[in-house]
Formats: sequence, C-alpha cells, structure tokens
Amino acid sequence: KQEVTQIPAALSVPEGENLVLNCSFTDSAIYNLQWFRQDPGKGLTSLLLIQSSQREQTSGRLNASLDKSSGRSTLYIAASQPGDSATYLCAVEDNAGKSTFGDGTTLTVKP
Amino acid sequence: NAGVTQTPKFQVLKTGQSMTLQCAQDMNHNSMYWYRQDPGMGLRLIYYSASEGTTDKGEVPNGYNVSRLNKREFSLRLESAAPSQTSVYFCASSPKETQYFGPGTRLLVL
Repeated sequence: KQEVTQIPAALSVPEGENLVLNCSFTDSAIYNLQWFRQDPGKGLTSLLLIQSSQREQTSGRLNASLDKSSGRSTLYIAASQPGDSATYLCAVEDNAGKSTFGDGTTLTVKP
Repeated sequence: NAGVTQTPKFQVLKTGQSMTLQCAQDMNHNSMYWYRQDPGMGLRLIYYSASEGTTDKGEVPNGYNVSRLNKREFSLRLESAAPSQTSVYFCASSPKETQYFGPGTRLLVL
C-alpha cells in the first residue's frame, strides 16, 4: 500500500525567503506525482505535475523535482510572498489511476 | 466553463439518515473521483470512475455507494450516515493526469 509523507507539517518563514517542502513515498512504481495548493475552506489547485520519467518541472517561482528511485520529491519556492501562504499537498498516482495524498505542509509567509 | 461543481455546499444529517452528494463537470473528462478530507489530513480516495459506466473502490469505500450517471455526473450516496462520516467531501475530474477539484461539500453527521 502506497504511503505518502510530507515534512514538515507546518512551516513559517519571513517574506522573501527561499524554501523547500518535502514529500516521500514508499512505492516507487508511480505514474506521476503532483503538487497541489489548498487555501482554507477551498478545493485543491494543481501547481505542478511530474511524469514518472521526468526529473523536474518549473512554473514561475516554483520548481518541483522527483527522484523516483529514492521515493522523494521536493517543491522549491523562490522569494516567498505572503500570498504563498496555504497548505501544499503532494499526491502520487499509480498506473491504475488511483492517487494517494500526503497530509500536507501548511505554509505561513510573514510580511 | 463552470469546471467541477458540487451540491450541496453544506449539510447536517442525523445518524442513520441518507443523502446523495452531487458532482458534475463540463470539461468532457473521462475520469471522476470522490475524496474525503478530515481535519489536518490529506485526501483519501473513496471511489473513482475511469469512464462512463465503470466505478472502482478506493481506499475508504465502506459506507458509501456511487453512480456514474453519465459522462458529466458522478454522485456519492450515504445510505445510513454515521458520525465518522463527518468530513469535507471533494469531487474531482481528470482528462488523463491533472485532476481538477470542486469546491467541496462540508458534511456534519450528528
């Protein structure tokens, strides 16, 4: 059974800092890995998707990497802003189309 | 495009009551999903449907049933609600990989 762990559970940083969120998974037989953002009381918004054959994806100030063999992914946020405050979840999808989510990292960026 | 819509937004039930959560998408996606999210936790897959006419169990299917009525609609039914089913329920759809989520239904079972 796939298990997804996100560390830390919560993170507070001052505005402008670069930061890294971590995601680890136990079964390396994945189809893809996706990072989502969730604002309080809202649904999830997809940020980046990395196919199992890829090593990284970038979108603006966000960069996600994937090391499938070691079961790890990182989400790098450059020059953090207060508007980046949210919960970030990673999810791994298997070849059958089922996704397993981590519990998320709640990020607070202080002005 | 409305994307993924869910009704109702909020619901309070008494133990033993039944209800159906509705989900619809207008993006012509083949796959649809139902998740639940408990406080401080990630999402857990209840059921999913890879295409019209097919459904499969996810991680936590007990106490739930689903119907993929057509390509657009995927409903989740609680036949006899229990307090353990108090949660936020999210529906999602996907063309192949990226999932698009609805705003959620907050359910409280007393």
